Amino acid sequence: GAVVSQHPSRVICKSGTSVKIECRSLDFQATTMFWYRQFPKQSLMLMATSNEGSKATYEQGVEKDKFLINHASLTLSTLTVTSAHPEDSSFYICSARGGTRAGEKLFFGSGTQLSVL
Amino acid sequence: GQQLNQSPQSMFIQEGEDVSMNCTSSSIFNTWLWYKQDPGEGPVLLIALYKAGELTSNGRLTAQFGITRKDSFLNISASIPSDVGIYFCAGRGTSYGKLTFGQGTILTVHP
Repeated sequence: GAVVSQHPSRVICKSGTSVKIECRSLDFQATTMFWYRQFPKQSLMLMATSNEGSKATYEQGVEKDKFLINHASLTLSTLTVTSAHPEDSSFYICSARGGTRAGEKLFFGSGTQLSVL
Repeated sequence: GQQLNQSPQSMFIQEGEDVSMNCTSSSIFNTWLWYKQDPGEGPVLLIALYKAGELTSNGRLTAQFGITRKDSFLNISASIPSDVGIYFCAGRGTSYGKLTFGQGTILTVHP
């Protein structure tokens, strides 16, 4: 099946620093990628939809200046958590759409555990 | 907006038992997807369903797209310890629309 690569898998940073997370579709082109946030034992919460060559679409309540998304190519989307604070600590997961329209599937990266000290 | 109710929230079973979980929605979906997530990992797609009434198997897993298009179930037969994890259903209302996720079912299998 399609593979989505996400890294880093884990990052620890000091409060006030910025952290960049990369998401790559390895064997298919993804015009649309999605970024989710997940708290322990909870479901995935969609943060934003990343569109290649255009601005990302953010869900209600998600600060676009806080979570910068860049989708510069058909295989790469990045999420930058700017001026991170402890409350930003979470598991972030990206996903990409693959397959034909009729058999469309969503494939996920392995996630990034962010810990802000 | 669309809402998904997934049940049960958690299950504790003995190895070898069968498992069943389901999701119901307040609106019609055109696609149902079932995922499994291991701790510290991203969800892995198990089964995708695209037509009302569709019944699809993947090894010991079987899932069905409800005829009303508002529900889906996932069955796991003869569970084994590696089945442990969180199972999520996800539905999509229109092609290329956003996925809505269920709350997840935490499965624990005792050897």
